[in-house]
Amino acid sequence: KNEVEQSPQNLTAQEGEFITINCSYSVGISALHWLQQHPGGGIVSLFMLSSGKKKHGRLIATINIQEKHSSLHITASHPRDSAVYICAVIKLNDMRFGAGTRLTVKP
Amino acid sequence: EPEVTQTPSHQVTQMGQEVILRCVPISNHLYFYWYRQILGQKVEFLVSFYNNEISEKSEIFDDQFSVERPDGSNFTLKIRSTKLEDSAMYFCASTDSVFNFYEQYFGPGTRLTVT
Repeated sequence: KNEVEQSPQNLTAQEGEFITINCSYSVGISALHWLQQHPGGGIVSLFMLSSGKKKHGRLIATINIQEKHSSLHITASHPRDSAVYICAVIKLNDMRFGAGTRLTVKP
Repeated sequence: EPEVTQTPSHQVTQMGQEVILRCVPISNHLYFYWYRQILGQKVEFLVSFYNNEISEKSEIFDDQFSVERPDGSNFTLKIRSTKLEDSAMYFCASTDSVFNFYEQYFGPGTRLTVT
């Protein structure tokens, strides 16, 4: 069983829609990252969470440590949000990655 | 804005050859990481490095791999005798604090193709 599970694997949305990507993990963690991987392959760190909720522009990330679950929300989605969104959990000094959610936002 | 750089962007090598992938982390960062992503698969942690030594390594990081910070700016990943299955994108990252892996900055990656 994967330590980090993301859902959905693929998501297609219309511009303007509210997007939710989920991440569940099965191990004890100290923190969780949400990353964005662009079509060209580059990776950008969006959020690092250890509790509660963070907001940056149209992006919101939440984590529930007790339920071992995190969500990434995108409000008013735009075609430029199209990318793979990756959840990664931090255990001590290493990081375990989810398989990613491929988001396509159509104009 | 400071950024992590990696060279080369693409490396093609023959099986059995040694390769060195280079990274220049952000200048005031102290913790350095290598990850790899085989085409179509998820990103995998390879190794973390601090104070001139390996802090943590995954089961992937076997004796074929080594890391070094040969001077004050470069951070290198060496693969001694490449195998076909080493073909992947290799990402370097750095951060200024290891606590909870505070905000890692990723390089653009080096695509390694082993033929």
